[in-house]
Amino acid sequence: DQQVKQNSPSLSVQEGRISILNCDYTNSMFDYFLWYKKYPAEGPTFLISISSIKDKNEDGRFTVFLNKSAKHLSLHIVPSQPGDSAVYFCAARSGSGSKLTFGKGITLSVRP
Amino acid sequence: NAGVTQTPKFQVLKTGQSMTLQCAQDMNHEYMSWYRQDPGMGLRLIHYSVGAGITDQGEVPNGYNVSRSTTEDFPLRLLSAAPSQTSVYFCASSPTNTEAFFGQGTRLTVV
Repeated sequence: DQQVKQNSPSLSVQEGRISILNCDYTNSMFDYFLWYKKYPAEGPTFLISISSIKDKNEDGRFTVFLNKSAKHLSLHIVPSQPGDSAVYFCAARSGSGSKLTFGKGITLSVRP
Repeated sequence: NAGVTQTPKFQVLKTGQSMTLQCAQDMNHEYMSWYRQDPGMGLRLIHYSVGAGITDQGEVPNGYNVSRSTTEDFPLRLLSAAPSQTSVYFCASSPTNTEAFFGQGTRLTVV
């Protein structure tokens, strides 16, 4: 049973517009969530995270929103740039010291 | 500071062969993990370690062994390679299993 779900396999947006990447989870014990970005032939790189005690975290063009009651988080990229084209993974963990659980990833394409 | 280094980058094995994927980190991180990435499956945890001498199984451990004799190194051993183990393997390390740092990956093909 998949505990972290990224139901949309791909997303295409125009350069300059907003990209919204969604992630749902089923484990109510998850207390920390992360987004990773991955380019082809490279390892994933950390993008942004949020603790379950917050509902929003912002870092430049990237904002993550957490809705605990809906067990849903989203990553907003504004404005989107062609260099943002990559696979984005949502990940979660339950308690310090526990392992990370990843979603299947979303392929974002930003059209010039 | 090299971060997380994986070797080799590419490998082709015949079914039944054994090999070790190397992973080393120079950040003095306690947590290290091995993942495999397959199309449509995301990143799946194979084995992980919370410190030297301590390892545990992840989601897909069958066919793989690990050991953690030092903080720096976390090798992944394939005991008898099978075509189902064709994948891209990523090693990661983190200070507290939050923001993990990944290596560049090892692309393994088993024929």
